Amino acid sequence: DAKTTQPTSMDCAEGRAANLPCNHSTISGNEYVYWYRQIHSQGPQYIIHGLKNNETNEMASLIITEDRKSSTLILPHATLRDTAVYYCIVRDSGNTPLVFGKGTRLSVIA
Amino acid sequence: GAVVSQHPSWVICKSGTSVKIECRSLDFQATTMFWYRQFPKQSLMLMATSNEGSKATYEQGVEKDKFLINHASLTLSTLTVTSAHPEDSSFYICSAPTGTGVYGYTFGSGTRLTVV
Repeated sequence: DAKTTQPTSMDCAEGRAANLPCNHSTISGNEYVYWYRQIHSQGPQYIIHGLKNNETNEMASLIITEDRKSSTLILPHATLRDTAVYYCIVRDSGNTPLVFGKGTRLSVIA
Repeated sequence: GAVVSQHPSWVICKSGTSVKIECRSLDFQATTMFWYRQFPKQSLMLMATSNEGSKATYEQGVEKDKFLINHASLTLSTLTVTSAHPEDSSFYICSAPTGTGVYGYTFGSGTRLTVV
């Protein structure tokens, strides 16, 4: 079973920041937080990951709380092409398969 | 970056026939490949894990004789749906570790299988 909890759906106005929350209260010390997204009828796409520090890349920022029990993915300027299902996944650094929860369906509205 | 090429993108087959789906790692060696299935409006469900040169490991409830997985080389893994039935219609996706430690996995683009 997935170890994360996410809202089922969210809307965001185009050009605004999209903040997607994720709860992972049972995360263990060696587990990372990963975010993937899946645009309709495509394979999942890696977005970002982190252990305990906040992270930023060209796609998004990841804010992890100090106790690591929750995190927020931030898309700073959402576009229509960011409409997708976003999955928050916790896993260790080994080659274990990703376990997907239900994710958050983000709809970016013009 | 690392790319997994998955073919075909979509396929329609008659009930009772078999369908083969291929996943190739284009610029890295995939010693492990994960196969997922996704039904409409649902999340990805892990079906099996294949390792190059050894038998695949199937998740509970997945019929190994129906979903044949072959991982004969470091760049190719195949999933064959044998004697397909309409209930096997789904979106099938492969995924491989990119070999860069914590940097996650690469996914194929998926195969939409429709059995009529």
